[in-house]
Amino acid sequence: DGGITQSPKYLFRKEGQNVTLSCEQNLNHDAMYWYRQDPGQGLRLIYYSQIVNDFQKGDIAEGYSVSREKKESFPLTVTSAQKNPTAFYLCASSIYGARQGLSSYNEQFFGPGTRLTVL
Amino acid sequence: GEDVEQSLFLSVREGDSSVINCTYTDSSSTYLYWYKQEPGAGLQLLTYIFSNMDMKQDQRLTVLLNKKDKHLSLRIADTQTGDSAIYFCAETSTGNQFYFGTGTSLTVIP
Repeated sequence: DGGITQSPKYLFRKEGQNVTLSCEQNLNHDAMYWYRQDPGQGLRLIYYSQIVNDFQKGDIAEGYSVSREKKESFPLTVTSAQKNPTAFYLCASSIYGARQGLSSYNEQFFGPGTRLTVL
Repeated sequence: GEDVEQSLFLSVREGDSSVINCTYTDSSSTYLYWYKQEPGAGLQLLTYIFSNMDMKQDQRLTVLLNKKDKHLSLRIADTQTGDSAIYFCAETSTGNQFYFGTGTSLTVIP
């Protein structure tokens, strides 16, 4: 079955520790994304990657880091510099990374999410 | 980023129709989407509409797009308890960056 997996589903971290969230896709998608979800705030973009070995900051990148060494993997590290890391983290992918023609359809597929709690 | 806004909550009785509304600011939107999120899960695409369309129907779902007013709506006919979830609208103009609303929590009362 093709899809996106995130692990672990629940993650607990002590203050001051870095933690890495895993995201893997076997859809052969070029682009991958990380979002943070807080109640009443919808989805906020942390980082995205349009191709391997390239990524860009989203709206709330401070305190986070990513890598894209393989097409199918886009891990997110929550560093100790992130002041309020407790949240639900969603990974997504889409077929295209670069802009296609106006009529080219593109959609995001989402993983099941990781809930991070800082103790 | 672009602004996409939704009301936070909606309650309906089972069997009634639900209408979830969304407004957006991006005048260059090409595709607009509706996603459903059940508790503790990721987002699942329900339907989408291309910006040159006014309406799209898919079984119990009807999407209306008013491009002039930048207003998108999702109508769910014969709403069931299984439809209780958070619904997100999203839009893209580039095809590779997507902007999401805050989500509308739909509660279906039996």
